Amino acid sequence: AQKITQTQPGMFVQEKEAVTLDCTYDTSDQSYGLFWYKQPSSGEMIFLIYQGSYDEQNATEGRYSLNFQKARKSANLVISASQLGDSAMYFCAMRDPAYSGAGSYQLTFGKGTKLSVIP
Amino acid sequence: EAGVTQFPSHSVIEKGQTVTLRCDPISGHDNLYWYRRVMGKEIKFLLHFVKESKQDESGMPNNRFLAERTGGTYSTLKVQPAELEDSGVYFCASSQGRTSGEFFGPGTRLTVL
Repeated sequence: AQKITQTQPGMFVQEKEAVTLDCTYDTSDQSYGLFWYKQPSSGEMIFLIYQGSYDEQNATEGRYSLNFQKARKSANLVISASQLGDSAMYFCAMRDPAYSGAGSYQLTFGKGTKLSVIP
Repeated sequence: EAGVTQFPSHSVIEKGQTVTLRCDPISGHDNLYWYRRVMGKEIKFLLHFVKESKQDESGMPNNRFLAERTGGTYSTLKVQPAELEDSGVYFCASSQGRTSGEFFGPGTRLTVL
């Protein structure tokens, strides 16, 4: 069974500071993919970043980076130089398996972290 | 390029009525997913189409839910008859491959009274 845990229901960060949103996952598989999504108040889900379980480098996309620690089963999202527009819900999700042909492609989501950026 | 679109954006119906939600994926995306978020809970997977075929429907809560994707283009999700616990936001998403993130639609907020 898969499970995603986001232990921070809410976070505050000062504008221009960096912030880390925690995500741990539980899987018995070796091949899987990890995703982060942003959901602003308007409701849409915006794909931010992806990390494959066999990727040796941490994924980065602009101001977003994923701190992937496979042994600890954590995939924390780091947002650098926070902006007011970063205020939103952030969801960590996992797809398992990522690379094999069998199995489900579904994403399993955590409960989310509400990030508020303070001017 | 147009994103994933969903219709309607909101729907308010009474218990026992029928509602049909529509999703138009990004053109060329073979994978189409339905997810649901009930208030205060995680976003939950409902089902996955590859083209017109149901690849995985393990998340469908019961037989009151029927999803179709005729011709491998748009998809519909029908709830008949609707119950109070069906209220929530229904998201549709599409993707090209397994390692790419799904592109989500704006969601349909369903309220069953």
